[in-house]
Amino acid sequence: NAGVMQNPRHLVRRRGQEARLRCSPMKGHSHVYWYRQLPEEGLKFMVYLQKENIIDESGMPKERFSAEFPKEGPSILRIQQVVRGDSAAYFCASSPELAGGAYEQYFGPGTRLTVT
Amino acid sequence: AQKVTQAQTEISVVEKEDVTLDCVYETRDTTYYLFWYKQPPSGELVFLIRRNSFDEQNEISGRYSWNFQKSTSSFNFTITASQVVDSAVYFCALSEAQGGSEKLVFGKGTKLTVNP
Repeated sequence: NAGVMQNPRHLVRRRGQEARLRCSPMKGHSHVYWYRQLPEEGLKFMVYLQKENIIDESGMPKERFSAEFPKEGPSILRIQQVVRGDSAAYFCASSPELAGGAYEQYFGPGTRLTVT
Repeated sequence: AQKVTQAQTEISVVEKEDVTLDCVYETRDTTYYLFWYKQPPSGELVFLIRRNSFDEQNEISGRYSWNFQKSTSSFNFTITASQVVDSAVYFCALSEAQGGSEKLVFGKGTKLTVNP
């Protein structure tokens, strides 16, 4: 039973390039969350998606960042025209679709983005 | 607004000592969920426990125990007879699960170092 998969594990981009981070949730999970961990800070929520729907994007920066979770395939977090301040660890988490209440979110290993 | 405070930034203990990690939360909702996650040096996030606001029973799992007190809005985590492998950053998190979003709000984490 594979856990949450994220790739790549490490990504280096030059300023101005695009970064694409992929996340495959655990089998049977239909909820995906993206979090960002900046150096010396805790994890900050970015976006919550279900299949083909963005449920909550209140933590996403207004520009350059977008996320999707298509009917088929992994969830993608896309960062356009990266800047040095985007350097961080990006974690994806998934949880099952069950009625009533928050369920534990299982995290992937993270993608460490370095912008040079 | 939701907020999680982990006042202890770093704790250092000697193996076999007991250690308690503090977590204080703020929320206006009556229904909420509390979590603890462990982030070892390898970087992944490991789920430890989920507790809902209606269940104030303390929980014990091996050397780990959790003390939930609504009166003081605290959800503290104790490791008994600590081991070197317990060295990690520990995060406390809160989810209100209201309005359709189940995002986690994390504290800034407590870095625990267990010395041999």
